[in-house]
Amino acid sequence: DAGVIQSPRHEVTEMGQEVTLRCKPISGHDYLFWYRQTMMRGLELLIYFNNNVPIDDSGMPEDRFSAKMPNASFSTLKIQPSEPRDSAVYFCASSLEIYEQYFGPGTRLTVT
Amino acid sequence: AQSVTQPDIHITVSEGASLELRCNYSYGATPYLFWYVQSPGQGLQLLLKYFSGDTLVQGIKGFEAEFKRSQSSFNLRKPSVHWSDAAEYFCAVGANTGRRALTFGSGTRLQVQP
Repeated sequence: DAGVIQSPRHEVTEMGQEVTLRCKPISGHDYLFWYRQTMMRGLELLIYFNNNVPIDDSGMPEDRFSAKMPNASFSTLKIQPSEPRDSAVYFCASSLEIYEQYFGPGTRLTVT
Repeated sequence: AQSVTQPDIHITVSEGASLELRCNYSYGATPYLFWYVQSPGQGLQLLLKYFSGDTLVQGIKGFEAEFKRSQSSFNLRKPSVHWSDAAEYFCAVGANTGRRALTFGSGTRLQVQP
């Protein structure tokens, strides 16, 4: 299995631009998670889905962030408009059981 | 709500020496506990997990961890560290009811000296 696939691996954008991060979970996994990792706040859960349905989005920082999972093999995390404080590494993870999470390599986002 | 404390931000050990990384958790019931490892530029990889039963759990790469309810701890150990073990290690706790998502500690960065 190819594991969790994230794209792009690096993204540099200017403040105010829209950013879309993409994730392909491991085939057969029914849970998908989006995390954000920063030096100041560590690893934070933003949102997770079960069977393509958002279950808990309490970690989404504000309305500028949105996540979708249109089918079992694809999810997006969108930031619009982006701000410098959104700079972080964003991880996608998937699992068959909720706790056995497999992480992707992450997307390093820099907003200037 | 559950929480995790990893009191050591950075640890340096010599190759071949033993290792113990500390983790303390706060949770009202029996927690689900995990250790993950993150190599530079990579995502997190699950090392081991504890759900119930035997309090000493074995994981991958020669790691083990012991759940001690009386101390609210889940320390990670390895008898002999290899240079390839240099990475950041995260302890995490999950609830068995309610909001079923992991809460991660702040991580411990391990440096291995030759």
